[in-house]
Amino acid sequence: NAGVTQTPKFQVLKTGQSMTLQCAQDMNHEYMSWYRQDPGMGLRLIHYSVGAGITDQGEVPNGYNVSRSTTEDFPLRLLSAAPSQTSVYFCASSSNNSPLHFGNGTRLTVT
Amino acid sequence: AQSVTQLGSHVSVSEGALVLLRCNYSSSVPPYLFWYVQYPNQGLQLLLKYTSAATLVKGINGFEAEFKKSETSFHLTKPSAHMSDAAEYFCAVSDRAGSARQLTFGSGTQLTVLP
Repeated sequence: NAGVTQTPKFQVLKTGQSMTLQCAQDMNHEYMSWYRQDPGMGLRLIHYSVGAGITDQGEVPNGYNVSRSTTEDFPLRLLSAAPSQTSVYFCASSSNNSPLHFGNGTRLTVT
Repeated sequence: AQSVTQLGSHVSVSEGALVLLRCNYSSSVPPYLFWYVQYPNQGLQLLLKYTSAATLVKGINGFEAEFKKSETSFHLTKPSAHMSDAAEYFCAVSDRAGSARQLTFGSGTQLTVLP
């Protein structure tokens, strides 16, 4: 049972490039979310989804897009990367209002 | 709006000493409260949760926390620190009444355990 899998583990982008951070879970969880973690700021919610075809914005959605075409996958897209998006990104999932299960994160650097 | 304040971004204790990590919250609804731990290069793992049952909550690895409504606090304690407890700890409060998954996190406390 892999749980929540995030790829890649590390990524370096140049300003203006685009990329997709992948997140997949094999627990049939209906709820999935993306957080970013910055020093001294804890985790902040970017986007979340309560089921396939349904997404909503969190606290810091600007510059990020998401979609949820299947229960298993919840990719996070950066359309035009900016240095302010340098961060560690965590995907998390939950079922039936259980506490969040987190992936191991993607460390993104934008130069 | 909900908020979480963790006093002390860095805490150092000696091995075998008491661990006390402080968390105060603000919530406009009856809160659910959580402590998560993050080991280096890993995601967050749930240590314990308060969901309006017993005010003293026991978690994994010998940690416990007490919900004190009058003080709006949910401090994390462990009687005797172990080297393996070195990690970053996050307190979180539910954003919505009864939610265990839409959370506001504190800024974290890095725990160092000295030999």
